[in-house]
Amino acid sequence: QSVLTQSPSASGTPGQRVTISCSGSGSNIGSNTVNWYQQLPGAAPKLLIYLNNQRPSGIPDRFSGSKSGTSASLAIGGLQSEDEADYYCAAWDDSLSGPVFGGGTKLTVL
Amino acid sequence: QVQLQESGPELVKPSETLSLTCTVSGGSITSYYWSWVRQTPGKGLEWIGYFYHSEGTKYNSSLKSRVTISGDTSKNQLSLKLASVTAADTAVYYCARGGRWGNFDYWGQGTLVTVSS
Repeated sequence: QSVLTQSPSASGTPGQRVTISCSGSGSNIGSNTVNWYQQLPGAAPKLLIYLNNQRPSGIPDRFSGSKSGTSASLAIGGLQSEDEADYYCAAWDDSLSGPVFGGGTKLTVL
Repeated sequence: QVQLQESGPELVKPSETLSLTCTVSGGSITSYYWSWVRQTPGKGLEWIGYFYHSEGTKYNSSLKSRVTISGDTSKNQLSLKLASVTAADTAVYYCARGGRWGNFDYWGQGTLVTVSS
């Protein structure tokens, strides 16, 4: 059971905008920044968003992040077939004194 | 470009100690936090602990009694030892740069370690 809660699956058609949500509590998302990772099949996770809404160099601006209270969201605009992957949220948890992850959302591009 | 490469036995017997090494190139382990993270089908991604040269180590409380992470600055390597393993420790083990605040910006390719007799 993951500390952060994500829906197991999401889907969209090419060109569509999709949103993936992540729910936590006051000890993690509520008081710390959120990070998002993309994991393509057979590959290691890749940092997609850090500090709630910042993109590392090389990440397209189709990917955006936001946070409100104890929840966060990752939005993917202009969906492409290569976006089909698992997406994970992560944040520091003050109570556990360590980073925690969501269970992941499998995105299918129809 | 920072690169990380995990290495170590792919098969470990129950009750024995899992030992992995992460060789870092393109960056020094004397800077930044360096973590071990594992991934299992059942529990997803789980942070194991981190090494920070000037601060030492910090571990996931659920694994703390069995984990040792250390850094060899002369070889620019990170190591992981997990004692008294069981089948539940079967996972893909990753080393990654970062860990403080939950942001890991560089990852190794990962290595699958199976615990079985």
